[in-house]
Amino acid sequence: DAGVIQSPRHEVTEMGQEVTLRCKPISGHDYLFWYRQTMMRGLELLIYFNNNVPIDDSGMPEDRFSAKMPNASFSTLKIQPSEPRDSAVYFCASSLFQDSNQPQHFGDGTRLSIL
Amino acid sequence: AQSVTQLGSHVSVSEGALVLLRCNYSSSVPPYLFWYVQYPNQGLQLLLKYTTGATLVKGINGFEAEFKKSETSFHLTKPSAHMSDAAEYFCAVRGSGNTGKLIFGQGTTLQVKP
Repeated sequence: DAGVIQSPRHEVTEMGQEVTLRCKPISGHDYLFWYRQTMMRGLELLIYFNNNVPIDDSGMPEDRFSAKMPNASFSTLKIQPSEPRDSAVYFCASSLFQDSNQPQHFGDGTRLSIL
Repeated sequence: AQSVTQLGSHVSVSEGALVLLRCNYSSSVPPYLFWYVQYPNQGLQLLLKYTTGATLVKGINGFEAEFKKSETSFHLTKPSAHMSDAAEYFCAVRGSGNTGKLIFGQGTTLQVKP
């Protein structure tokens, strides 16, 4: 079975540009999570969705960050405008039945560098 | 609120030696506990999980962990380290109930020396 698919794997762009990260969750999973990982702050949950609806976006750092899930098989995380401090690895994860003991399955991440 | 503390950000062992990675949690409800491993340039992979039942949990790659409620611990062990075990390891807790989040520890980097 295909796992969680993220694109692009690497993104290098200049400060001020719009960045869009993409995620395809595992088919049938009803929860989707976006995380950010940095050396300084470790792994942070940014936002998560249940059945395409955002449930908790309290981890989104600023209004420059936005996330959407237009359907069950696709989600985007957008940063506009981007800043050097946004440089990090961004992970998407999905799971089935959050209230159960099912684990989260992670993609390989997008390594984002803002110059 | 739930929280996780991993003792030791870096652990170094010799190949063939015992691996012990420490995790303590705080939870106001019976916890679900997880260990994940992250290899370089990859996402996190589930090693093992504890939900209910047997307190000694076996996972992939020869790892196991024991849930000790009295000590609020969920330490990860492996009897004999392999070079391929070098990675970052994360302990995570999720409270029962619909919180919708995994609370991760800061991670422990395991180095395996030949």
